[in-house]
Amino acid sequence: NAGVTQTPKFRVLKTGQSMTLLCAQDMNHEYMYWYRQDPGMGLRLIHYSVGEGTTAKGEVPDGYNVSRLKKQNFLLGLESAAPSQTSVYFCASSTGLEASEQFFGPGTRLTVL
Amino acid sequence: AQSVAQPEDQVNVAEGNPLTVKCTYSVSGNPYLFWYVQYPNRGLQFLLKYITGDNLVKGSYGFEAEFNKSQTSFHLKKPSALVSDSALYFCAVRASYSSASKIIFGSGTRLSIRP
Repeated sequence: NAGVTQTPKFRVLKTGQSMTLLCAQDMNHEYMYWYRQDPGMGLRLIHYSVGEGTTAKGEVPDGYNVSRLKKQNFLLGLESAAPSQTSVYFCASSTGLEASEQFFGPGTRLTVL
Repeated sequence: AQSVAQPEDQVNVAEGNPLTVKCTYSVSGNPYLFWYVQYPNRGLQFLLKYITGDNLVKGSYGFEAEFNKSQTSFHLKKPSALVSDSALYFCAVRASYSSASKIIFGSGTRLSIRP
């Protein structure tokens, strides 16, 4: 099993450009998450999904959109990138069952100039 | 509201010595508690979790954690540190009655093991 994969691994954008980050999992997990990791701030939840066709806002959703058209994929979109969105983005998945742990992808390092 | 605190940004330990990485939490009701480890340029990996029962939880790579309800703590421990344990460690918590999406991560503690 590949687990959770993310593409791309690195990306540099100019302010105002758009892009989509792709997350895929092969564990048949119901729940999927997008986090951003910034120095000294731990992980902050951007958006999450509790099943195919569902999405919900997390702690820091502004400037991002998501879609979960297929159970195994969770897309994160930046419509108009800003320097404040420079971060490392992690996707994770879990069964959603009681006390289930999350499985994380390797991350995408995004720089917005 | 729930929260989790890792009071130390960095912990330095000599190889072979015991290590402790501290975590305290605040939730309403019973907590589910987790520890994750992050190696450089990698995603987080699950180490162990506390759900209920025995206060001492054993996990991967020889790590264990002790749940202390009265002190609202869940410290990560290892009897003998290895250089390869050097990494960033995250504590996480959520209330047992809440959705799996309502997990809160601490800010992380960097563990450095010197040879």
